[in-house]
Amino acid sequence: AQSVAQPEDQVNVAEGNPLTVKCTYSVSGNPYLFWYVQYPNRGLQFLLKYITGDNLVKGSYGFEAEFNKSQTSFHLKKPSALVSDSALYFCAVRDYGGSQGNLIFGKGTKLSVKP
Amino acid sequence: EPEVTQTPSHQVTQMGQEVILRCVPISNHLYFYWYRQILGQKVEFLVSFYNNEISEKSEIFDDQFSVERPDGSNFTLKIRSTKLEDSAMYFCASYQGSRSTGELFFGEGSRLTVL
Repeated sequence: AQSVAQPEDQVNVAEGNPLTVKCTYSVSGNPYLFWYVQYPNRGLQFLLKYITGDNLVKGSYGFEAEFNKSQTSFHLKKPSALVSDSALYFCAVRDYGGSQGNLIFGKGTKLSVKP
Repeated sequence: EPEVTQTPSHQVTQMGQEVILRCVPISNHLYFYWYRQILGQKVEFLVSFYNNEISEKSEIFDDQFSVERPDGSNFTLKIRSTKLEDSAMYFCASYQGSRSTGELFFGEGSRLTVL
């Protein structure tokens, strides 16, 4: 069964420092991988995705993520964090050969960026 | 930019009452979903809907839940007899389908409080 793990409940970063939010996955076929962000009392906003091609994908708000097939990871990164990046981040996976578009989400990681 | 809209934004109901949550997916999308999030925690898949029928459902989606697309635009989630543990944020999402780049688009959510 496909699954996603986000090992950290919370990540604390000082503004201006680089940030990494970790994600590992398990799927039976080729993975489609996604990151979403959720601000307080809001819906999920799409940040970026890996479908195929370059392992480093760039997305919204300066975020990027690196797909690593051997480590089955898809960590979210940003070179310089902003206080406004503070939010809940979800990694998600869809098995391309599986169900019709359904995403399986990790438990989420709360990112806190302090001034 | 097209968006998924959900109503109501917040509903308070008594235990045992029926609740209907409404969603208007993006107009050219073919797949529709309901997810649930309890207290800002993990986003849990409930059900997916395609071609006017349920394509997949989770263990959470028991006989108390139903979905329908009554008029070609709205997509509804009905909870027949609400329980305290149904209190959550419910998110609707839609997905274009085979020609899509893969991400789901989420609405802002409907917060359900069962007293």
